[in-house]
Amino acid sequence: EAQVTQNPRYLITVTGKKLTVTCSQNMNHEYMSWYRQDPGLGLRQIYYSMNVEVTDKGDVPEGYKVSRKEKRNFPLILESPSPNQTSLYFCASRSTHYNEQFFGPGTRLTVL
Amino acid sequence: GQQVMQIPQYQHVQEGEDFTTYCNSSTTLSNIQWYKQRPGGHPVFLIQLVKSGEVKKQKRLTFQFGEAKKNSSLHITATQTTDVGTYFCAGGGGATNKLIFGTGTLLAVQP
Repeated sequence: EAQVTQNPRYLITVTGKKLTVTCSQNMNHEYMSWYRQDPGLGLRQIYYSMNVEVTDKGDVPEGYKVSRKEKRNFPLILESPSPNQTSLYFCASRSTHYNEQFFGPGTRLTVL
Repeated sequence: GQQVMQIPQYQHVQEGEDFTTYCNSSTTLSNIQWYKQRPGGHPVFLIQLVKSGEVKKQKRLTFQFGEAKKNSSLHITATQTTDVGTYFCAGGGGATNKLIFGTGTLLAVQP
């Protein structure tokens, strides 16, 4: 089954404790993105990657890092999480030939 | 920077009534996509419009792309409880076809 998976689905952590949210897709998509969703603000892009070893900032990259060492994986790293990073996070992927984006199930992160 | 505004933020209808959400971009778009997010779920792709003035239908859903390619609408005829969720438009453009999402319209349908 074609899908995007994210782990963990839920995470409660404390300020300053480094964390990684994993994202994996099995569709051989070149393009992958991370979004955060906050009430009233819609989906805002954090980082995106157009292919292996190619990443770039989205609209709200501060406080986040990403890497793309393999085509299927695109982890999101929070080196020192802060409460304003409490949000619902979505990973998404798409082919460069078709624009339809496939979203993962989401990760709800709470930073205390 | 490019912005995509969506109205209304929230709409409550009686089952059987029609519903429309509108999307406006500050810049000309290459394409526009629509997504639906059920409560507690993730966004799911509905459709993409590319041509100026394009109209596409999916059963009770009608999607329209404006002549100037700066606005779009989604109209649902005779809403059903299964239509509940948040509808997002997303404008695409530029060399990377980056998508800018609208703020979404939450649709509530009362049986």
